[in-house]
Amino acid sequence: EVQLLESGGGLVQPGGSLRLSCTASGFTFSSCGLSWVRQAPGKGLEWVSGVSGGGTTYYADSLKGRFTVSRDNSKNTLYLQMNSLRAEDTAVYYCAKDPGVLPVAHFDYWGQGTLVTVSS
Amino acid sequence: IVLTQSPGTLSLSPGERATLSCRASQSISYSYLAWYQQKPGQAPRLLIYRASSRATGIPDRFSGSGSGTDFTLTISRLEPEDFAVYYCQQYGSLPRTFGQGTKVEIK
Repeated sequence: EVQLLESGGGLVQPGGSLRLSCTASGFTFSSCGLSWVRQAPGKGLEWVSGVSGGGTTYYADSLKGRFTVSRDNSKNTLYLQMNSLRAEDTAVYYCAKDPGVLPVAHFDYWGQGTLVTVSS
Repeated sequence: IVLTQSPGTLSLSPGERATLSCRASQSISYSYLAWYQQKPGQAPRLLIYRASSRATGIPDRFSGSGSGTDFTLTISRLEPEDFAVYYCQQYGSLPRTFGQGTKVEIK
């Protein structure tokens, strides 16, 4: 059974940093791309960042270099380092899995999400 | 690619047919369009990929169609558990983008 478990969310002040983790199981981790998708309170889904099975990283243009995605295949874990956080980054952050190595794909499994709140 | 879903809200009764639309600002390569269902407090769930292929375990009352810029999700007969928000997503080009969602509510 595929499982994606996010952690690391919480309350952070504007300008602060946070690192999210997504621990995966139930599939060959190194063979699949993974993404972070966020959802602001009461809003729709927004793709944030992703990394292909081959390790290539991708980002939404709106992030302007504040976020860094990475993966550790030895730990079956995906990370999102978020810096210079703003109030508009407040959202539930989901980890989502691609069915294969390429980033041109739908998301076949999702984690339950971790809430990030940016507020003073 | 910008995806526009319509209507924003669909008010229907159980047993009725639901037709949701997703229109793209430009043609989506290879019909790389997916549909997801999201219930309150839950993560999205994949329903349809590549415009018309049902994901594993999805009932056959859910069907997808379309190509180019116009796509449709149809729920043939609404069950109580189908009342939720539905999102379309294109993955034919990067960045992958989502529509703003259609809420299917009980009339």
